[in-house]
Amino acid sequence: DQQVKQNSPSLSVQEGRISILNCDYTNSMFDYFLWYKKYPAEGPTFLISISSIKDKNEDGRFTVFLNKSAKHLSLHIVPSQPGDSAVYFCAAQGAQKLVFGQGTRLTINP
Amino acid sequence: DAGVIQSPRHEVTEMGQEVTLRCKPISGHDYLFWYRQTMMRGLELLIYFNNNVPIDDSGMPEDRFSAKMPNASFSTLKIQPSEPRDSAVYFCASRTSSRGWNSPLHFGNGTRLTVT
Repeated sequence: DQQVKQNSPSLSVQEGRISILNCDYTNSMFDYFLWYKKYPAEGPTFLISISSIKDKNEDGRFTVFLNKSAKHLSLHIVPSQPGDSAVYFCAAQGAQKLVFGQGTRLTINP
Repeated sequence: DAGVIQSPRHEVTEMGQEVTLRCKPISGHDYLFWYRQTMMRGLELLIYFNNNVPIDDSGMPEDRFSAKMPNASFSTLKIQPSEPRDSAVYFCASRTSSRGWNSPLHFGNGTRLTVT
């Protein structure tokens, strides 16, 4: 039972363009959502988060959007840079537990 | 701040052997989590501790898996006996509740386990 799903295993975007990563969840009890970024041979690192009482949170080039009615969130990166190439994990929190999606591998092409 | 420290970085063992993975959380963090990453399932939560006490081990796949946290600065995840399907990257993560219930997790660099 995958409570958090990232349906795109990979995404390729040209440098300078917008990258949009998507995530869906099933449990309406989740109240906090996060995105993590992971480089090879390293652990995931926290990128940006959003509370369920908001629908948008922005931090520099990164913006997370939350649509509670659709149980959907997305991460926008603009403009995309080569250093953004990594695996991105969506995560949802409920009752102190953080549930992760399968990840999306983002490749930024020069 | 040295971050979350895991050892070993790589472990190769034969089926049936006991494997012990180790983790030192960030000092002052009161929550510790063990996750397993596989291609098929992504990052799965195995177990987490609060103040050294196991709170939820519902993600532990089988009785072959066990985890302990004897003190605030050390935790182990043990697999006995190991099987090839246990091959994965195992991550330890910690967080503090002092900054609120939604403070992010800090991950170690993981242990890549290969069981042949």
